[in-house]
Amino acid sequence: GQQVMQIPQYQHVQEGEDFTTYCNSSTTLSNIQWYKQRPGGHPVFLIQLVKSGEVKKQKRLTFQFGEAKKNSSLHITATQTTDVGTYFCAGGGGYNKLIFGAGTRLAVHP
Amino acid sequence: NAGVTQTPKFQVLKTGQSMTLQCAQDMNHNSMYWYRQDPGMGLRLIYYSASEGTTDKGEVPNGYNVSRLNKREFSLRLESAAPSQTSVYFCASSGQDGIAKNIQYFGAGTRLSVL
Repeated sequence: GQQVMQIPQYQHVQEGEDFTTYCNSSTTLSNIQWYKQRPGGHPVFLIQLVKSGEVKKQKRLTFQFGEAKKNSSLHITATQTTDVGTYFCAGGGGYNKLIFGAGTRLAVHP
Repeated sequence: NAGVTQTPKFQVLKTGQSMTLQCAQDMNHNSMYWYRQDPGMGLRLIYYSASEGTTDKGEVPNGYNVSRLNKREFSLRLESAAPSQTSVYFCASSGQDGIAKNIQYFGAGTRLSVL
């Protein structure tokens, strides 16, 4: 079945360093979404990418969707302690379903 | 506007006991979902309901049953709990119009331990 793989599983950075997580799908995606889950919290929607090669920015966060619509990345510039959490990508898995990656847990040390 | 509400927040069960996790949404969404989250494994879909009156199996349905009681409510039942069902359970809903229809909104989760 369709799989969404995400790397790395865990990333530890010093505050101010950059961070990137990568997402790869075994099949072409109609869209990809990114969610953030704070420790002890629930996933919260960040953004959706739909078009091939699309790039979207939210302040220090940059999201990209690959040209073949099979991969995506999230880049955070100059991390802050408020960026701590787990970042999930999720690809369309059929009617209104999402297939989630395993997530990348980000730790930021001041 | 409460969004997605899950009850209970915490539960401890003994092996073989049964329980129902409740979920309700007030966003008039058509689709609702139950996920379980285990360390290092992300979110795995247990069951989903594309609309009122329909339910379908997800990736890990064994040991669970669901009921879409009405458009607002989607419950998850464990008939005979097993230690392997110790997990954090999230309910979610989606169904806004247009391009945002696939965006999922999550409840706060239920932390379940089966001893």
